[in-house]
Order: sequence, then structure tokens, then C-alpha cells
Amino acid sequence: EPEVTQTPSHQVTQMGQEVILRCVPISNHLYFYWYRQILGQKVEFLVSFYNNEISEKSEIFDDQFSVERPDGSNFTLKIRSTKLEDSAMYFCASMRQGRSNTEAFFGQGTRLTVV
Amino acid sequence: DAKTTQPTSMDCAEGRAANLPCNHSTISGNEYVYWYRQIHSQGPQYIIHGLKNNETNEMASLIITEDRKSSTLILPHATLRDTAVYYCIVGGYSTLTFGKGTMLLVSP
Repeated sequence: EPEVTQTPSHQVTQMGQEVILRCVPISNHLYFYWYRQILGQKVEFLVSFYNNEISEKSEIFDDQFSVERPDGSNFTLKIRSTKLEDSAMYFCASMRQGRSNTEAFFGQGTRLTVV
Repeated sequence: DAKTTQPTSMDCAEGRAANLPCNHSTISGNEYVYWYRQIHSQGPQYIIHGLKNNETNEMASLIITEDRKSSTLILPHATLRDTAVYYCIVGGYSTLTFGKGTMLLVSP
């Protein structure tokens, strides 16, 4: 069964460093997402991406964050100048289409720890 | 904010049916009801979704009331591996808004 894969599973970085989280969405999907979940809190939407551009973003997704689809398979989230409060699980998701009758499939997440 | 209300937690005995309720009184006519679950800190897992008709798949059944203001997710024979947080989400147009969900504990 096709699945969304994320690497690395765990990333430890020093405060102020840049990190890139990687995702390989399901191959025939067109809509891609990043969500995050701070320990003990709700899953929060960060950004959606379609047709090589951001289609929607939340208040959390400020200038510190960027997304890119550098080739036909990868979808990346870059966090510049990481802060302690960026420590969280980051989940990538993909959907075949963006309509309401379509389910999203999530990866297993990357645990980011900023020290 | 999430547009659904779910109990904080529920218990279920292994092998019994787990019935998880969800209220979504402000749902609009073209919004779907989605159910996802999250086992420990894994990625949310899609379970089922529906518009107004009841739906069934290999994982669960979804019962939506006629007025669409509430729904019930049914796991017909719960196992220990079904212990998870279950999220009821309405809309689902592109982005998903997660609430706090229901923590379902399945015990032997």
C-alpha cells in the first residue's frame, strides 16, 4: 500500500541552526501539507502546497518557515534559525486532490528537538 | 477552532464494539465528516468519512444522523491496538482542523 514517508525520524539541532525535514508524498497525489504537534497538544496545520506554490498557510507559518518541492518526488520543510519552541513532531500529508471528498494520508512524522 | 465536540475519553472492553460519538451541529450542507486516529505519537491515520449516508469499510462504520448534526464511529470488535486518540473532523476541504479528540482505551 502506498504511503507517505518522512526522513529523518528524529532530528536534534542546536538553537539557531537551520533544519530541513523531508517528505516523499504518495506518487499520484497533488496536494501536500505540513502539520506539527507540540508534545501533549493538538495537531496544527502549517501549510498546504499545490502546483508548486503555497495555497494556504496558518499564522504559525511565518518567515522562519519555507517549503519546496525540489524535484518530482520530495517535499521539504525548511526551518531557519530554530528556536526551542520549534521542538515538535512534524507531519507531512498528501491528498490525491483538494476537494472535500478526499482523504489525507499522513507520514509517521519527524521528531524535531531543538536544544 | 474545531467545529466538533467529542468526549475526552472512553473505555471499551476488548472484543466489544466501541461507539465514539461526535457532535457537529454547525456542519454545512457540503461539509463531510471525517474520522482519523492517532496511536501514541504516530501520524494521524485516516479511518472513514461520509456526507450523509452511513458508510462502512474494513476498519469501521460511520453512522450520521439524518439532520447531520451528529455522528458515531463504530469499531465493531475493538482490539488492544485500537487504543488511540480518535478525531472527528468536519469540512476537510484541503486542510484539516484537529480538535482534542477522544482518547479510547481498550482493555483486556
